[in-house]
Amino acid sequence: EAGVAQSPRYKIIEKRQSVAFWCNPISGHATLYWYQQILGQGPKLLIQFQNNGVVDDSQLPKDRFSAERLKGVDSTLKIQPAKLEDSAVYLCASSSSGTLYEQYFGPGTRLTVT
Amino acid sequence: LAKTTQPISMDSYEGQEVNITCSHNNIATNDYITWYQQFPSQGPRFIIQGYKTKVTNEVASLFIPADRKSSTLSLPRVSLSDTAVYYCLVGDLRGGSYIPTFGRGTSLIVHP
Repeated sequence: EAGVAQSPRYKIIEKRQSVAFWCNPISGHATLYWYQQILGQGPKLLIQFQNNGVVDDSQLPKDRFSAERLKGVDSTLKIQPAKLEDSAVYLCASSSSGTLYEQYFGPGTRLTVT
Repeated sequence: LAKTTQPISMDSYEGQEVNITCSHNNIATNDYITWYQQFPSQGPRFIIQGYKTKVTNEVASLFIPADRKSSTLSLPRVSLSDTAVYYCLVGDLRGGSYIPTFGRGTSLIVHP
């Protein structure tokens, strides 16, 4: 079974530029999560999708971050414009219905904002 | 208000049993307790999940007392490859749904 795929793995941008991350979840998984993990901290949930709908985005900085999940499969997370404090690893995870909190994570995208 | 409290770090030696305790005083009645493991430069990996009493799988055991206000992850006979950060998760009620919430985790270092 293929795991969660993310791209790119690394990205370096200057502040005020924009960036987009892509995630392809495990086939059949209805729930998709985007996390931000700053060095030395636990992952912080940015947004949770159930199929096409948003379950929670209370910690998503909506003035600069946006996310979408078209057709309930792939998802993209965008930052525009980026700030220095956005430097972090962005993790995508997915889970199937009925398996509470058992999430499968991708390798993450390491973003550096200079 | 932190949902979970864990020691920041622990040290152990190969072959020893390691117990990591997590405090979750405000856990919801119907919520589960989940543990993840994370190696450097990788995403977290699900280890074990439980609701009450004891759960065991091929990797670890999870002990949950009757009041469910804490839980203990037990790793038998650790090896160097068990050096990682371990996270305890419970749900955070937001907008009518329980959202799994990671804390800062426990950094376990296993020494030869």
